Amino acid sequence: GESVGLHLPTLSVQEGDNSIINCAYSNSASDYFIWYKQESGKGPQFIIDIRSNMDKRQGQRVTVLLNKTVKHLSLQIAATQPGDSAVYFCAAKNNNDMRFGAGTRLTVKP
Amino acid sequence: NAGVTQTPKFQVLKTGQSMTLQCAQDMNHEYMSWYRQDPGMGLRLIHYSVGAGITDQGEVPNGYNVSRSTTEDFPLRLLSAAPSQTSVYFCASSYYRGWTEAFFGQGTRLTVV
Repeated sequence: GESVGLHLPTLSVQEGDNSIINCAYSNSASDYFIWYKQESGKGPQFIIDIRSNMDKRQGQRVTVLLNKTVKHLSLQIAATQPGDSAVYFCAAKNNNDMRFGAGTRLTVKP
Repeated sequence: NAGVTQTPKFQVLKTGQSMTLQCAQDMNHEYMSWYRQDPGMGLRLIHYSVGAGITDQGEVPNGYNVSRSTTEDFPLRLLSAAPSQTSVYFCASSYYRGWTEAFFGQGTRLTVV
């Protein structure tokens, strides 16, 4: 069946470094992708999205890259801060079906 | 802005009991959905709705019912709770035409004993 998965369950980075979180999806018909951040005890919060007709989108300190050829997307966080510590999920949409990955826990070391 | 409001935040049920998890949004979103979140797994879609009077099943619908009588409300009913339904449940809403981000509630932590 369809799946969305992240490559690493955990990622530890030094404060100030850049972070890269990866995600792979299985359904080539997926046309919309989102990255969410989830802090402990809270619901997921939107970070950035990208549609399938784009390969890159930038926000404030974050960039999402989409490679449809290999069905892969990544989230890049520039100058990672302690407040970025959280679990990050990617999601891929096909029609009304939004599938989520299991998440990567990002830990930022001071 | 209230956004998406879920109640209750915590609930303990005995096996076989029924209950309704409430979800309300004030953003006039057409699309609403329910997910469960289990350790080590991504959010899994239980049921969704693209508008009042319209509901459909997601990836893991068994043991759950939904209805959508208004745009604002999308309750999730557990018919006969089982320990396998112990999970954290999230409700989300979003625009439907021209798909955009989903806004999530704070979650309901349900334990079935």
